[in-house]
Amino acid sequence: GENVEQHPSTLSVQEGDSAVIKCTYSDSASNYFPWYKQELGKGPQLIIDIRSNVGEKKDQRIAVTLNKTAKHFSLHITETQPEDSAVYFCAASQTGTASKLTFGTGTRLQVTL
Amino acid sequence: GAVVSQHPSRVICKSGTSVKIECRSLDFQATTMFWYRQFPKQSLMLMATSNEGSKATYEQGVEKDKFLINHASLTLSTLTVTSAHPEDSSFYICSAVSGRDNSPLHFGNGTRLTVT
Repeated sequence: GENVEQHPSTLSVQEGDSAVIKCTYSDSASNYFPWYKQELGKGPQLIIDIRSNVGEKKDQRIAVTLNKTAKHFSLHITETQPEDSAVYFCAASQTGTASKLTFGTGTRLQVTL
Repeated sequence: GAVVSQHPSRVICKSGTSVKIECRSLDFQATTMFWYRQFPKQSLMLMATSNEGSKATYEQGVEKDKFLINHASLTLSTLTVTSAHPEDSSFYICSAVSGRDNSPLHFGNGTRLTVT
């Protein structure tokens, strides 16, 4: 089955700096890669996703890049703000949809003032 | 945007009792709902997939008789933890997806179950 690795497990950045979280996946058939943000005591919220026919996608301060050859994808957050502090999960699916997602292990992002 | 409501947010029960958790899609029809379990500071583990009107599909290692799932309508799925034990204490999260192509997954806010 699919295996998704995520790094780093914790990340601390100063407000205004950029944060990058990286994930690798094992199954070359995976074709849908969402990113979720989970705040304390809440369920994950989708923040951005990318499909295998696209190399990069951007939404304001958030961007995701995908390298199919290397089987890795990354989340980039620019101009970080304290409210970006949360746990971020990457995920991968072979169905092209949000069904049967395999999640990474999570990255705890702390944005300090 | 699409909203998934999960109830209750917290529940404490005694060992041996059963607990029911509800998951509702509020503004869309969820053809498929998923139930996850999350241990502290860990990732989400898929427990089962439920499609409206059919039996749930459980992941390997998840006891179907212990975690009863009912997806009776396109907007409601329930997870019942039967004969709960302290090791069942965890954060349970449901999610839902509509039948439309490329529809994203929406999560509920989770249920913190504590079995004493």
